[in-house]
Order: sequence, then structure tokens, then C-alpha cells
Amino acid sequence: GENVEQHPSTLSVQEGDSAVIKCTYSDSASNYFPWYKQELGKRPQLIIDIRSNVGEKKDQRIAVTLNKTAKHFSLHITETQPEDSAVYFCAASKGSNYQLIWGAGTKLIIKP
Amino acid sequence: GAGVSQSPSNKVTEKGKDVELRCDPISGHTALYWYRQRLGQGLEFLIYFQGNSAPDKSGLPSDRFSAERTGESVSTLTIQRTQQEDSAVYLCASSKNRDRINYGYTFGSGTRLTVV
Repeated sequence: GENVEQHPSTLSVQEGDSAVIKCTYSDSASNYFPWYKQELGKRPQLIIDIRSNVGEKKDQRIAVTLNKTAKHFSLHITETQPEDSAVYFCAASKGSNYQLIWGAGTKLIIKP
Repeated sequence: GAGVSQSPSNKVTEKGKDVELRCDPISGHTALYWYRQRLGQGLEFLIYFQGNSAPDKSGLPSDRFSAERTGESVSTLTIQRTQQEDSAVYLCASSKNRDRINYGYTFGSGTRLTVV
């Protein structure tokens, strides 16, 4: 079955710098890749997603890139701010099975 | 409703008691998922309902756990004879997945279960 690996488990960056979180997946049939942000004590919330027919998607300071050949996708956050501090989860799924397979999460710490 | 609603938001129960957690998904969402999240940990899949298909129960950790959903409406997760290791936040999510197209999940705010 599908397996999603996420790195790093913790990432500390200076405010204003960029942050990159990477995920790899094992099932080449996967075609949907969302990213979720979970602030302390809150529910996970979808921040951006990408489908396999595109290689990159941007929304203001966040972007996701997908490399289908290498089976990996990444979340990029530019000009990081204190409110970006949270745990970020990646996930993957395919049309024949609607279940998301989750990465283990990355704790992003923004240093002032 | 506008979002996924879970109740209660907090539940403290004595070891050995049964508890029932409720999830009201977004209207029209065909899929409903239950997850468990221990403090500082990731999302542990429990059970998945998709429309009128048989649920995927592969994540339930023991036979003390069960869940029901009637059609595409409310779901209840029941934990019998609770143990201290059941203490966690139980998250419900729903999605409008259909026609082999995946969509993101919308999560409820969770039920924080504490077994004492």
C-alpha cells in the first residue's frame, strides 16, 4: 500500500527566511497531494493542495511542487512569519481509494 | 452545517466506562473519517465511511472500538471499557470525494477524551 515519508520532523528558521518541507510517496498511482497546517491545540486545516496534472501551485507565500518521476512533493513557505509556527502534515491519495495517507508531520518553529 | 461539528468537545471518564463521541459532517459530504491524535503525535486512522459502502475498519485498535454512520449523516464512535491509553483527541473529518476525484478533508475541532 501507499507510504508517505516526511522530512524533517522539526525545522527551525529565522523569521523572514524560507522554509521547505519534503515528502516522498511510494504509490505511483497517487494523484492528489494536500498539505495541512495544525496550530497548537487546533484542528488540522487544508492550506494548499496539488493534483498530478500540474507541477507547481502557489498561493501568496506558500507553494507546493510535485515531481511525479521522483515521487516527491514539497511545501515552500517564503518570508516566514511567527504565525507560520505550527505542525505541517503532507498526504497523498488516489482516485480509486479516497483515503489520505499521511506523513508524520513537521514541526515548524519561526525564530524571532 | 457550515463545518464539521463534534461533541462533546471534552470528555472525562472513569476507566472501564463506555463513551460515545459524535460527529456531524458537512451536508453533502459522502466521506467521513475518524482519527485519533495523541499529544504531540500524528494522525492515527481509525475508520472510514464512504457513502453506502461497507466501512473501512482497518484502523480500529481493538474490538472495544466501534463506529456507525447512517447514510451520509451523523456518525458515532463508541469506545467500550475505556482504558487510560485511550486518552487522546478524537478527530472527525468529512470530504466530498466522489466520481474517483479526491478532495481535501475538513476536520472538526475534536473531542478531547481523558480517562482517569
